[in-house]
Amino acid sequence: AQSVTQLGSHVSVSEGALVLLRCNYSSSVPPYLFWYVQYPNQGLQLLLKYTTGATLVKGINGFEAEFKKSETSFHLTKPSAHMSDAAEYFCAVSDLPQGGSEKLVFGKGMKLTVNP
Amino acid sequence: DAGITQSPRHKVTETGTPVTLRCHQTENHRYMYWYRQDPGHGLRLIHYSYGVKDTDKGEVSDGYSVSRSKTEDFLLTLESATSSQTSVYFCAIKANYGYTFGSGTRLTVV
Repeated sequence: AQSVTQLGSHVSVSEGALVLLRCNYSSSVPPYLFWYVQYPNQGLQLLLKYTTGATLVKGINGFEAEFKKSETSFHLTKPSAHMSDAAEYFCAVSDLPQGGSEKLVFGKGMKLTVNP
Repeated sequence: DAGITQSPRHKVTETGTPVTLRCHQTENHRYMYWYRQDPGHGLRLIHYSYGVKDTDKGEVSDGYSVSRSKTEDFLLTLESATSSQTSVYFCAIKANYGYTFGSGTRLTVV
């Protein structure tokens, strides 16, 4: 069974600083990996995803993530934080289609605060 | 947008009453999911469906049932609501481009 670990629940950065949100996963099969963002009182929006191919994935709003199989990680980064990045971020993992079980498993989320 | 509509958007109900939440999609996707979101827990899968009348349990299925009699509709039922089921419920579909979520239903059980 897959699982996702997002260490900590809250991170605070200054505007213009690097954003780094960590995600480690566990999967017995090659994973599909996702990052979602949730703004206050809204639904989830896909930031980026990794399925196969290039391990550095670029997403919306200047975010990117790198799949590192040896470290079972898929950390999310953005070089320069903007006030509008304040939100909650979720890492998620899904297995390849096997036996009809295409479930998306989420980490517990990380709330990002951006200080002026 | 995958055309996912959840109804109702907000509901307050009393303990012990049955509640049904509806998820409707317009694009004929095979896979549909129900999640609940609670602070400190992220999103947890309740039930999912991989076709009409084909459903399976997720990690937090106790107290919930689902039905899918048509491709476009996936219903989540709380047979007898409890305060622990106060949560925000999200429906999702799986498309070729990934998973897309509805806007959520905020359910309060008093």
